[in-house]
Amino acid sequence: GNSVTQMEGPVTLSEEAFLTINCTYTATGYPSLFWYVQYPGEGLQLLLKATKADDKGSNKGFEATYRKETTSFHLEKGSVQVSDSAVYFCALSIYNQGGKLIFGQGTELSVKP
Amino acid sequence: GAVVSQHPSWVICKSGTSVKIECRSLDFQATTMFWYRQFPKQSLMLMATSNEGSKATYEQGVEKDKFLINHASLTLSTLTVTSAHPEDSSFYICSAREREFEQYFGPGTRLTVT
Repeated sequence: GNSVTQMEGPVTLSEEAFLTINCTYTATGYPSLFWYVQYPGEGLQLLLKATKADDKGSNKGFEATYRKETTSFHLEKGSVQVSDSAVYFCALSIYNQGGKLIFGQGTELSVKP
Repeated sequence: GAVVSQHPSWVICKSGTSVKIECRSLDFQATTMFWYRQFPKQSLMLMATSNEGSKATYEQGVEKDKFLINHASLTLSTLTVTSAHPEDSSFYICSAREREFEQYFGPGTRLTVT
């Protein structure tokens, strides 16, 4: 079946630290991969995406590269800010399955000043 | 970006009663809407997919008679939890998209059944 596994949180970092949140997936088809962010009290927002192998998605200083050989889509940011504190979800969707998203369990990030 | 709203944001109901949650796309036509359920510290689990004007498609294990979904217009979908029980207490999230474009998520509705 299709599934997404993320590293467990919470992750606590100091401001300007380097961030990595691991995400691996299993998929029966050819997936598109996404990172969503959920700030406190708000709905999920698309952070970045990649639709094919070796694509790199990037936004707001965050990056993730679609690695087919390792079935991974790890999220990275070189220097986190307090405002990056949120829950991050890795997700996939399979072409021709109506846009359904399959989510990982979410990773809570807390950035301290 | 596009905005999706949910109402109410929080509801408490008594066991055995029904509660309706609304999901609206405010500035686009949502040809497809999705309903998710999220338990504390856990992932979002897709409950059902609804296309405007047709019956919802439910995921395996989701009781369609308990979770009634209606997508009557291109801007409104409703989820009705019928005969609610404490185990139905959860965070319900909808998302909407126009054709093959990006999904936009609502802020969620917290349901507490006493």
